[in-house]
Amino acid sequence: SYVLTQPPSVSVAPGKTARITCGGNNIGSNDVHWYQQRPGQAPVLVIYYDSDRPSGIPERFSGSRSGNMATLTIDRVEAGDEADYYCQVWDSSSDHGAFGGGTKLTVL
Amino acid sequence: QVQLQESGPGLVKPSETLSLTCTVSGVSISSYYWSWIRQPPGKGLEWIAYISYSGRTNYNPSLKSRVTISVDTSKNQFSLKLNSVTVADTAVYFCARVGTPLDFDYWGQGTLVTVSS
Repeated sequence: SYVLTQPPSVSVAPGKTARITCGGNNIGSNDVHWYQQRPGQAPVLVIYYDSDRPSGIPERFSGSRSGNMATLTIDRVEAGDEADYYCQVWDSSSDHGAFGGGTKLTVL
Repeated sequence: QVQLQESGPGLVKPSETLSLTCTVSGVSISSYYWSWIRQPPGKGLEWIAYISYSGRTNYNPSLKSRVTISVDTSKNQFSLKLNSVTVADTAVYFCARVGTPLDFDYWGQGTLVTVSS
């Protein structure tokens, strides 16, 4: 099965930049998508196609992919950004979805 | 706007079958692919299955022997059945739309299913 590796936690002070990584052996051949999940809520898509933002998502959220690593970057972090973040790919070889283990972002 | 709503029993006994339905509004179910995703308490997201408007399906290999996903285009609904459940199947179950980028662009609010005798 497809394995995506995320750090369990990332901490950042308000106003600083948070970077959350997502690694996988074949990630270079798949588009990466990112979700924000606040406690008790459904996940919300924040980045698709590695770096595109859905309408309504602040420009502070950006994504990138290089080699076998994708990164979600949140600039000028706010208290409201505190949440769990998940990366996701669609494994084209097996035709199914796969999520990373999730990263808890703590705003200090 | 696109909305998804899960429905079904919140409590299922061990060894029985978990059955959930997702009702879609704001878009024809015949225009997209649809998925079920679950999240055990305090844990991460797990993709379960997808179905296309034409009935094409695929399942998470770890659940494939116990899962069936189906679609009812006349009701704009799709459903999940998971048989022989155990306590390990206790989770919040989400239905979601599969977007063109093969992301999940719309989600239901989720429904907690507890497996307990």
